[in-house]
Amino acid sequence: EAGVVQSPRYKIIEKKQPVAFWCNPISGHNTLYWYLQNLGQGPELLIRYENEEAVDDSQLPKDRFSAERLKGVDSTLKIQPAELGDSAVYLCASSLLSGAADTQYFGPGTRLTVL
Amino acid sequence: AQSVTQLGSHVSVSEGALVLLRCNYSSSVPPYLFWYVQYPNQGLQLLLKYTTGATLVKGINGFEAEFKKSETSFHLTKPSAHMSDAAEYFCAGGGNQGGKLIFGQGTELSVKP
Repeated sequence: EAGVVQSPRYKIIEKKQPVAFWCNPISGHNTLYWYLQNLGQGPELLIRYENEEAVDDSQLPKDRFSAERLKGVDSTLKIQPAELGDSAVYLCASSLLSGAADTQYFGPGTRLTVL
Repeated sequence: AQSVTQLGSHVSVSEGALVLLRCNYSSSVPPYLFWYVQYPNQGLQLLLKYTTGATLVKGINGFEAEFKKSETSFHLTKPSAHMSDAAEYFCAGGGNQGGKLIFGQGTELSVKP
């Protein structure tokens, strides 16, 4: 079974430029998560989708960040414009259901460097 | 508010020695607790999880953890460290807000030959 796929793996951009990350969850997984992981820190949830509905986006900085999961499968996370402080790893995860006990499976992440 | 604290950002052990990584949580309701491992440039991989039932949980690669409600702890142990265990380990808790996980800061485990 294929795992969570993310692309690109690495991205370097100048500040104020836009950037987008793509995630394809494990087949059949209804719940998709985007996490932000700063260097030396644990992941922090940005947004959680159940199918195509964003059910928790309270930690997403909506002035510059947006996300979509139009058909309830793959998802895109966008930053526009990027700032120096956005340099981090962006992790995507998926789970079969949305319960608190359900295992979340993580992709390899996209490492963003903003210059 | 729920929080997860990992004691020690870096732990170093000799190969063959006991591994003990500490995790404490705070929660007003019985939590679900997880340990994940992250190798360099890779995503997080689940080692084990506690949901309900037996408080001693066995995971992959010889790791286990014990849920102790009285101590609000969920420490991770392995009797004998392997060089391949060198990685970053994250404790996480959930249960109050659907599928939202709260992660600790992480503990980097080094294994000396």
